[in-house]
Amino acid sequence: EAQVTQNPRYLITVTGKKLTVTCSQNMNHEYMSWYRQDPGLGLRQIYYSMNVEVTDKGDVPEGYKVSRKEKRNFPLILESPSPNQTSLYFCASSFRVFNSPLHFGNGTRLTVT
Amino acid sequence: KNEVEQSPQNLTAQEGEFITINCSYSVGISALHWLQQHPGGGIVSLFMLSSGKKKHGRLIATINIQEKHSSLHITASHPRDSAVYICAVSRGWETSGSRLTFGEGTQLTVNP
Repeated sequence: EAQVTQNPRYLITVTGKKLTVTCSQNMNHEYMSWYRQDPGLGLRQIYYSMNVEVTDKGDVPEGYKVSRKEKRNFPLILESPSPNQTSLYFCASSFRVFNSPLHFGNGTRLTVT
Repeated sequence: KNEVEQSPQNLTAQEGEFITINCSYSVGISALHWLQQHPGGGIVSLFMLSSGKKKHGRLIATINIQEKHSSLHITASHPRDSAVYICAVSRGWETSGSRLTFGEGTQLTVNP
């Protein structure tokens, strides 16, 4: 089954403790991206990747890191999480975002205390 | 002013009604996406448009590139259509990467 798999679904952590949210797709998509969703602000793009080893900042990249060493995986890394990073996070992929639909993961609800 | 504006923010309809959700954008785009987010939080892609009109079942999406405007129509609405509908625009081009900007969403409630 074609899908984008995000893990974990829920995560509670403390300020400063490094964490990684994983994202994997099995559709051989070139484009992968991370978003956060906050009440009143909607979805905002954090980082995106056009292909292996090609990543770029979205609108809210501060405090986040990504890597794209393999085509199928695009992990989101929070080196030193802070409470303002408490949010609902989504990973998405697309063959090419210009002419292909987006496929979203199920989301990760992160709470930083 | 947001680069992507949706209207209305909230919409309540009776089952069977024809529904229209609008999306206006102020930047050059390569594609526009309509997404659906159900109460459980999952997001599903409904349409990807770069011109014209697309139809899938009871859903129709149109885009007017000159006017920078897109509409999502739902015919014969049903309570299971209740969800948040989100417009997103892809602002980049193939050789320079692509960023996605989202509208704030339209909360649709369809009552039986």
